Amino acid sequence: DQQVKQNSPSLSVQEGRISILNCDYTNSMFDYFLWYKKYPAEGPTFLISISSIKDKNEDGRFTVFLNKSAKHLSLHIVPSQPGDSAVYFCAASGNTGNQFYFGTGTSLTVIP
Amino acid sequence: DAGITQSPRHKVTETGTPVTLRCHQTENHRYMYWYRQDPGHGLRLIHYSYGVKDTDKGEVSDGYSVSRSKTEDFLLTLESATSSQTSVYFCAIGTGDSPLHFGNGTRLTVT
Repeated sequence: DQQVKQNSPSLSVQEGRISILNCDYTNSMFDYFLWYKKYPAEGPTFLISISSIKDKNEDGRFTVFLNKSAKHLSLHIVPSQPGDSAVYFCAASGNTGNQFYFGTGTSLTVIP
Repeated sequence: DAGITQSPRHKVTETGTPVTLRCHQTENHRYMYWYRQDPGHGLRLIHYSYGVKDTDKGEVSDGYSVSRSKTEDFLLTLESATSSQTSVYFCAIGTGDSPLHFGNGTRLTVT
């Protein structure tokens, strides 16, 4: 059973606008959440993370929001750029022996 | 690539043959992981290691075994490959309290 879910397989956004990628999780023991970006034929690359003691973490154009009560996190990219076109995976970890659980990914296309 | 090398990068093999994929790191990280990526399933954990000779199963471990005889090497073995094991395999490393870093993957095709 999928413990981390990304319900939108794809998203298209105009260059310069905001991209919002969503992720839901079911395990309340998760306390560390991450976003990864993946280009074709490459491994996933770490983008940004947040621990459960925070509800927001910002790094340049990327902001991750965490809503623990809803078991939901989102990644905001502002402004979106064509180079942001990639597959984005959310991931979660907790007191589970250092296992990281990943969602199914959202393919983001930023249209110039 | 955070000092992670996966080999081979591509492999085609026949059903029923044994296959071993290698992950080599130069970061001296304690934790090493094997994931597989499939359409509609994202990244799923196969096995992971938390030290030399210390390994544990992940979500999709059936049909796979692993070994870690040295800190830097983590081997994934398919004892008898099946078509359902056609996938892209990623190795990752971590320290236990930081993000995982991934290799560039091995594309395995079982015919």
